[in-house]
Amino acid sequence: GENVEQHPSTLSVQEGDSAVIKCTYSDSASNYFPWYKQELGKGPQLIIDIRSNVGEKKDQRIAVTLNKTAKHFSLHITETQPEDSAVYFCAASIKDAGGTSYGKLTFGQGTILTVHP
Amino acid sequence: GAVVSQHPSWVICKSGTSVKIECRSLDFQATTMFWYRQFPKQSLMLMATSNEGSKATYEQGVEKDKFLINHASLTLSTLTVTSAHPEDSSFYICSARAGWATTNEKLFFGSGTQLSVL
Repeated sequence: GENVEQHPSTLSVQEGDSAVIKCTYSDSASNYFPWYKQELGKGPQLIIDIRSNVGEKKDQRIAVTLNKTAKHFSLHITETQPEDSAVYFCAASIKDAGGTSYGKLTFGQGTILTVHP
Repeated sequence: GAVVSQHPSWVICKSGTSVKIECRSLDFQATTMFWYRQFPKQSLMLMATSNEGSKATYEQGVEKDKFLINHASLTLSTLTVTSAHPEDSSFYICSARAGWATTNEKLFFGSGTQLSVL
């Protein structure tokens, strides 16, 4: 099955700096890669996603890049703010024997991001 | 955006009792819902996939008789933890997939339920 590795497990940056979180996946058939932000005691919130037919996607201060050949994708947050502090999870779609995923995801281990004022 | 409402947000119960957690999609029809379990400082572990009108599909190692899932309508799925024990204490989260298209893989998550079994 799919295996997703996420690094680093913790990341501490100063306000205004950039933060980068990286994930690798094992199943070359995966074609959907979302990123979630989870605050303490809450459910994950989708912040950005990318499909395998796209190499990069940007939404204001957040961007995601995908390298299909190397099977890795990264989250980039620029001009970080204290409110960006949270746990971030990457995920990759899981496909069944018929090649359909129906939204089933494998999650990375999570990265605790701390942005210091 | 799509909103998923999960209740209760926290529950404390005695060992041996059953607890029901509800997951509702408020502004869209959810053909598929997923239930996860999350331990402190760990990732989300998929427990089961719930499709409207059919039996849930459980992940390996998840006891289907202990974690009963019902998806009776396109907007509601419930997870019942039967005969709860302290080891069932955890953060339970649901997510919902909108639409019928197999290419629609966006998931929207509920706010989670913290279950504490005494």
